[in-house]
Amino acid sequence: EAGVVQSPRYKIIEKKQPVAFWCNPISGHNTLYWYRQNLGQGPELLIRYENEEAVDDSQLPKDRFSAERLKGVDSTLKIQPAELGDSAVYLCASSGARSTDTQYFGPGTRLTVL
Amino acid sequence: DAKTTQPTSMDCAEGRAANLPCNHSTISGNEYVYWYRQIHSQGPQYIIHGLKNNETNEMASLIITEDRKSSTLILPHATLRDTAVYYCIVRWRAGGTSYGKLTFGQGTILTVHP
Repeated sequence: EAGVVQSPRYKIIEKKQPVAFWCNPISGHNTLYWYRQNLGQGPELLIRYENEEAVDDSQLPKDRFSAERLKGVDSTLKIQPAELGDSAVYLCASSGARSTDTQYFGPGTRLTVL
Repeated sequence: DAKTTQPTSMDCAEGRAANLPCNHSTISGNEYVYWYRQIHSQGPQYIIHGLKNNETNEMASLIITEDRKSSTLILPHATLRDTAVYYCIVRWRAGGTSYGKLTFGQGTILTVHP
């Protein structure tokens, strides 16, 4: 069974440019999460979806970050414009129907903002 | 969410058991103990979880004290590939905004040496 797929794996951009990350969750998982992991720290939740609905986006910096999950499957996380401090690994995870189901993570996208 | 305390780093000889402790003295009856690990440049990998009873799977064993204030993750025969950051997480299983959320701390860096 395929795991969580993310692309790209690496992205280097200049500050003020836009960037987008894509995630395809495990088949049948209707809960999807985006996390950000700064160097030397544990991942921090940005947003959680149940199907198409963002049920927890309290940690998403809404001035420059946006996310969508059309049709309740794939998801895209966007930053516009990117700042130097956005350099991090962006992780996507998915889980089953219940929010207490085990979360499985993708490999992440490493973003470097110059 | 209840906080966890883990040692910053530990060493283990290859082939020996690795015992990783975690303190969660403020854990409530509605919180599970989860363990994840993160190998360099990969996303976090689920290991095991438990509520009250000890648990075992193909990767590890989880021993939870009777008062649930601490737990130990046991890798019975550590290999070089077990070198990773190990995260102990307490996870809310009831309703509310923290429902199902994973809050990562700093984790324990486990180094397995030959």
